[in-house]
Amino acid sequence: KNEVEQSPQNLTAQEGEFITINCSYSVGISALHWLQQHPGGGIVSLFMLSSGKKKHGRLIATINIQEKHSSLHITASHPRDSAVYICAVQQQAWGSNYQLIWGAGTKLIIKP
Amino acid sequence: DTGVSQDPRHKITKRGQNVTFRCDPISEHNRLYWYRQTLGQGPEFLTYFQNEAQLEKSRLLSDRFSAERPKGSFSTLEIQRTEQGDSAMYLCASSTLGLAGGHNEQFFGPGTRLTVL
Repeated sequence: KNEVEQSPQNLTAQEGEFITINCSYSVGISALHWLQQHPGGGIVSLFMLSSGKKKHGRLIATINIQEKHSSLHITASHPRDSAVYICAVQQQAWGSNYQLIWGAGTKLIIKP
Repeated sequence: DTGVSQDPRHKITKRGQNVTFRCDPISEHNRLYWYRQTLGQGPEFLTYFQNEAQLEKSRLLSDRFSAERPKGSFSTLEIQRTEQGDSAMYLCASSTLGLAGGHNEQFFGPGTRLTVL
Protein backbone atom coordinates (compact mmCIF):
# COMPACT_ATOMS: atom_id res chain seq x y z
CA LYS A 1 0.00 0.00 0.00
CA ASN A 2 1.35 3.41 -0.95
CA GLU A 3 1.95 5.86 1.86
CA VAL A 4 0.03 8.56 -0.02
CA GLU A 5 -3.11 7.63 -1.90
CA GLN A 6 -5.08 9.98 -4.10
CA SER A 7 -8.54 9.55 -5.48
CA PRO A 8 -9.81 9.61 -8.05
CA GLN A 9 -6.94 8.88 -10.43
CA ASN A 10 -8.83 10.52 -13.27
CA LEU A 11 -11.68 12.98 -13.18
CA THR A 12 -13.59 14.51 -16.07
CA ALA A 13 -16.19 17.17 -15.33
CA GLN A 14 -18.13 19.92 -17.03
CA GLU A 15 -17.20 23.55 -16.69
CA GLY A 16 -18.74 25.06 -13.59
CA GLU A 17 -18.86 21.87 -11.55
CA PHE A 18 -17.54 21.67 -8.00
CA ILE A 19 -14.48 19.43 -7.92
CA THR A 20 -13.12 17.42 -5.00
CA ILE A 21 -9.84 15.53 -5.01
CA ASN A 22 -8.94 13.42 -2.02
CA CYS A 23 -5.64 12.48 -0.43
CA SER A 24 -5.10 9.93 2.33
CA TYR A 25 -1.77 9.18 3.94
CA SER A 26 -0.49 6.64 6.41
CA VAL A 27 2.61 8.30 7.89
CA GLY A 28 3.06 11.01 10.49
CA ILE A 29 3.47 14.31 8.75
CA SER A 30 4.58 17.82 9.50
CA ALA A 31 2.88 19.30 6.45
CA LEU A 32 0.93 18.41 3.34
CA HIS A 33 1.35 20.03 -0.06
CA TRP A 34 -1.04 20.32 -2.96
CA LEU A 35 0.62 20.98 -6.29
CA GLN A 36 -0.57 21.43 -9.84
CA GLN A 37 1.27 20.10 -12.85
CA HIS A 38 0.36 21.15 -16.35
CA PRO A 39 1.21 19.22 -19.53
CA GLY A 40 4.84 19.92 -20.30
CA GLY A 41 5.90 19.38 -16.73
CA GLY A 42 5.72 22.69 -14.90
CA ILE A 43 4.79 22.25 -11.23
CA VAL A 44 3.13 24.97 -9.21
CA SER A 45 2.70 24.81 -5.46
CA LEU A 46 -0.92 25.51 -4.56
CA PHE A 47 -1.02 25.01 -0.81
CA MET A 48 1.10 23.89 2.07
CA LEU A 49 -0.93 23.16 5.17
CA SER A 50 -0.58 21.40 8.47
CA SER A 51 -4.03 22.00 9.93
CA GLY A 52 -7.44 23.36 9.13
CA LYS A 53 -8.25 24.98 5.85
CA LYS A 54 -6.74 27.36 3.32
CA LYS A 55 -8.40 29.21 0.48
CA HIS A 56 -6.92 30.87 -2.56
CA GLY A 57 -9.31 32.15 -5.16
CA ARG A 58 -11.46 29.24 -6.31
CA LEU A 59 -9.26 26.67 -4.61
CA ILE A 60 -9.83 25.37 -1.10
CA ALA A 61 -7.66 22.84 0.72
CA THR A 62 -8.61 21.14 3.96
CA ILE A 63 -6.77 18.70 6.16
CA ASN A 64 -7.87 16.45 9.01
CA ILE A 65 -4.76 15.38 10.87
CA GLN A 66 -6.58 12.82 13.05
CA GLU A 67 -8.07 11.10 10.03
CA LYS A 68 -4.91 11.56 7.93
CA HIS A 69 -6.92 12.96 5.08
CA SER A 70 -6.88 16.07 2.95
CA SER A 71 -9.13 17.36 0.20
CA LEU A 72 -8.63 19.87 -2.56
CA HIS A 73 -11.75 21.58 -3.83
CA ILE A 74 -12.20 23.69 -6.94
CA THR A 75 -15.29 25.82 -7.16
CA ALA A 76 -16.75 26.99 -10.48
CA SER A 77 -14.29 24.82 -12.41
CA HIS A 78 -12.93 26.07 -15.71
CA PRO A 79 -11.13 24.33 -18.59
CA ARG A 80 -7.90 26.07 -17.58
CA ASP A 81 -8.05 24.09 -14.33
CA SER A 82 -7.30 20.96 -16.36
CA ALA A 83 -4.05 19.58 -15.00
CA VAL A 84 -2.65 16.88 -12.76
CA TYR A 85 -3.12 17.65 -9.09
CA ILE A 86 -0.59 16.07 -6.77
CA CYS A 87 -0.70 15.60 -3.03
CA ALA A 88 2.66 15.31 -1.28
CA VAL A 89 3.32 14.86 2.42
CA GLN A 90 6.33 15.92 4.39
CA GLN A 91 7.30 13.32 6.95
CA GLN A 92 7.43 14.32 10.55
CA ALA A 93 11.22 14.59 10.74
CA TRP A 94 12.86 17.95 10.89
CA GLY A 95 16.12 18.85 9.24
CA SER A 96 17.72 15.72 7.92
CA ASN A 97 15.85 12.60 6.85
CA TYR A 98 13.82 14.84 4.61
CA GLN A 99 11.32 13.06 2.48
CA LEU A 100 8.50 14.57 0.51
CA ILE A 101 6.32 11.58 -0.31
CA TRP A 102 4.29 12.12 -3.43
CA GLY A 103 0.93 10.76 -4.44
CA ALA A 104 0.44 9.50 -7.96
CA GLY A 105 -1.65 12.51 -8.93
CA THR A 106 -5.19 13.07 -10.10
CA LYS A 107 -5.63 13.97 -13.74
CA LEU A 108 -8.44 16.50 -14.03
CA ILE A 109 -10.10 17.43 -17.30
CA ILE A 110 -12.71 20.15 -17.34
CA LYS A 111 -14.81 20.21 -20.50
CA PRO A 112 -16.29 23.47 -21.76
CA ASP B 1 11.25 36.94 -13.70
CA THR B 2 12.30 36.02 -10.16
CA GLY B 3 11.16 32.40 -10.12
CA VAL B 4 13.23 29.24 -10.22
CA SER B 5 14.96 28.73 -13.55
CA GLN B 6 16.55 25.64 -15.02
CA ASP B 7 18.87 25.19 -17.95
CA PRO B 8 18.69 23.56 -20.40
CA ARG B 9 14.97 22.88 -20.78
CA HIS B 10 15.63 19.88 -22.98
CA LYS B 11 18.68 17.68 -23.42
CA ILE B 12 19.13 14.77 -25.79
CA THR B 13 22.26 12.72 -25.35
CA LYS B 14 23.71 9.38 -26.31
CA ARG B 15 24.13 6.62 -23.78
CA GLY B 16 27.46 6.87 -22.02
CA GLN B 17 27.79 10.64 -22.29
CA ASN B 18 27.92 12.98 -19.32
CA VAL B 19 25.33 15.70 -18.86
CA THR B 20 25.07 18.65 -16.48
CA PHE B 21 21.98 20.60 -15.54
CA ARG B 22 21.79 23.93 -13.80
CA CYS B 23 19.21 25.33 -11.40
CA ASP B 24 18.97 28.93 -10.28
CA PRO B 25 16.71 29.22 -7.22
CA ILE B 26 14.79 32.21 -5.99
CA SER B 27 17.53 34.45 -4.68
CA GLU B 28 16.67 34.55 -0.98
CA HIS B 29 15.90 30.84 -0.70
CA ASN B 30 18.28 28.80 1.48
CA ARG B 31 16.98 25.41 0.46
CA LEU B 32 17.31 23.83 -2.97
CA TYR B 33 15.87 20.46 -3.97
CA TRP B 34 16.35 18.13 -6.92
CA TYR B 35 13.64 15.69 -8.03
CA ARG B 36 13.30 13.26 -10.90
CA GLN B 37 10.03 12.47 -12.60
CA THR B 38 9.51 9.70 -15.12
CA LEU B 39 6.54 9.59 -17.44
CA GLY B 40 3.27 8.93 -15.67
CA GLN B 41 4.86 8.92 -12.22
CA GLY B 42 5.05 11.42 -9.42
CA PRO B 43 8.35 13.19 -8.72
CA GLU B 44 10.99 11.31 -6.71
CA PHE B 45 13.25 13.11 -4.28
CA LEU B 46 16.96 13.03 -5.20
CA THR B 47 18.76 15.44 -2.90
CA TYR B 48 18.56 18.78 -1.16
CA PHE B 49 20.88 21.57 -0.06
CA GLN B 50 20.75 24.08 2.69
CA ASN B 51 22.92 26.90 1.46
CA GLU B 52 26.04 25.13 0.11
CA ALA B 53 25.68 22.02 2.29
CA GLN B 54 24.17 18.89 0.78
CA LEU B 55 22.09 17.63 3.69
CA GLU B 56 20.47 14.55 2.25
CA LYS B 57 20.73 12.24 -0.73
CA SER B 58 18.19 9.64 -1.77
CA ARG B 59 19.19 6.07 -2.44
CA LEU B 60 18.06 6.84 -5.99
CA LEU B 61 21.14 9.02 -6.39
CA SER B 62 23.65 6.48 -7.64
CA ASP B 63 27.39 7.06 -7.86
CA ARG B 64 26.89 8.35 -11.38
CA PHE B 65 24.94 11.32 -10.04
CA SER B 66 26.53 14.26 -8.30
CA ALA B 67 25.05 17.56 -7.24
CA GLU B 68 26.73 20.71 -6.06
CA ARG B 69 25.79 24.12 -4.80
CA PRO B 70 29.21 25.69 -4.40
CA LYS B 71 28.28 29.20 -3.33
CA GLY B 72 24.89 28.49 -1.89
CA SER B 73 23.15 30.01 -4.88
CA PHE B 74 22.81 28.04 -8.13
CA SER B 75 23.15 24.28 -8.19
CA THR B 76 24.32 21.77 -10.77
CA LEU B 77 23.30 18.15 -11.20
CA GLU B 78 25.69 16.01 -13.21
CA ILE B 79 24.97 12.55 -14.53
CA GLN B 80 28.00 10.58 -15.71
CA ARG B 81 27.86 7.71 -18.17
CA THR B 82 24.18 8.24 -18.85
CA GLU B 83 21.90 5.23 -19.29
CA GLN B 84 18.56 5.02 -21.03
CA GLY B 85 16.90 4.63 -17.64
CA ASP B 86 18.06 8.14 -16.76
CA SER B 87 15.59 9.58 -19.25
CA ALA B 88 13.24 11.69 -17.15
CA MET B 89 12.26 15.21 -16.21
CA TYR B 90 14.67 16.64 -13.65
CA LEU B 91 12.95 19.19 -11.44
CA CYS B 92 14.52 21.74 -9.17
CA ALA B 93 12.73 23.54 -6.36
CA SER B 94 13.72 26.09 -3.75
CA SER B 95 12.31 27.28 -0.47
CA THR B 96 13.06 29.38 2.54
CA LEU B 97 14.15 27.78 5.78
CA GLY B 98 11.23 26.66 7.89
CA LEU B 99 10.70 27.09 11.59
CA ALA B 100 13.12 25.04 13.72
CA GLY B 101 14.85 23.86 10.57
CA GLY B 102 11.72 22.48 8.97
CA HIS B 103 10.76 22.65 5.33
CA ASN B 104 8.63 25.39 3.81
CA GLU B 105 6.58 25.61 0.65
CA GLN B 106 8.66 24.78 -2.39
CA PHE B 107 8.70 26.70 -5.63
CA PHE B 108 9.47 24.65 -8.70
CA GLY B 109 11.40 25.38 -11.84
CA PRO B 110 10.17 24.33 -15.29
CA GLY B 111 12.36 21.23 -15.32
CA THR B 112 14.97 19.80 -17.66
CA ARG B 113 13.74 16.97 -19.83
CA LEU B 114 16.53 14.47 -20.49
CA THR B 115 16.34 11.92 -23.25
CA VAL B 116 19.09 9.32 -23.43
CA LEU B 117 19.25 7.53 -26.77
